[in-house]
Amino acid sequence: QKEVEQDPGPLSVPEGAIVSLNCTYSNSAFQYFMWYRQYSRKGPELLMYTYSSGNKEDGRFTAQVDKSSKYISLFIRDSQPSDSATYLCAMTPSGSARQLTFGSGTQLTVLP
Amino acid sequence: NAGVTQTPKFRILKIGQSMTLQCTQDMNHNYMYWYRQDPGMGLKLIYYSVGAGITDKGEVPNGYNVSRSTTEDFPLRLELAAPSQTSVYFCASSKTSGSRDEQFFGPGTRLTVL
Repeated sequence: QKEVEQDPGPLSVPEGAIVSLNCTYSNSAFQYFMWYRQYSRKGPELLMYTYSSGNKEDGRFTAQVDKSSKYISLFIRDSQPSDSATYLCAMTPSGSARQLTFGSGTQLTVLP
Repeated sequence: NAGVTQTPKFRILKIGQSMTLQCTQDMNHNYMYWYRQDPGMGLKLIYYSVGAGITDKGEVPNGYNVSRSTTEDFPLRLELAAPSQTSVYFCASSKTSGSRDEQFFGPGTRLTVL
């Protein structure tokens, strides 16, 4: 069993839809949670960072962490075609980048 | 300001050949990383460096070597290439070692070993 599970998709939604992307994990030691966005043929870029449980909002993006369920989510409101990308979750127990465990990514397409 | 650059973009190797993947950053970051990304799998850390002359193994170092003679450059060496090393390789850099500190990734090198 992988430490971090992520539905690979692909997920297609119409422009303007609310998108929900999720990851589950098995290691209860994870404390720091991240979402990366990766456009086709590009490197990942950090989108959201959260520590422990709770919500964090940044513009159209909301990251949610439920440590009791070992479940994290990324919500995208008013989705745009420019949001079409692969979204990777990542997490670490210590806050160290050397101990990041990545999900396999969910491929999202937002249709105009 | 180019960020993180990687060369080559694509490469096909025969089993047993060797090659060096180049990585350069112009942000004066101390921390640099090499990852591999396989289909259906998350990124895996191969090696990392905390500064010139200092490197350490990540999760999947076997079959690879690194060196860091300058702050800017962090080449990854593949000796005796094997089909299992077919992957997309990403170099990244960050100002500090914290996961909160954004890692800046290069565009990747797509390597196929036949």
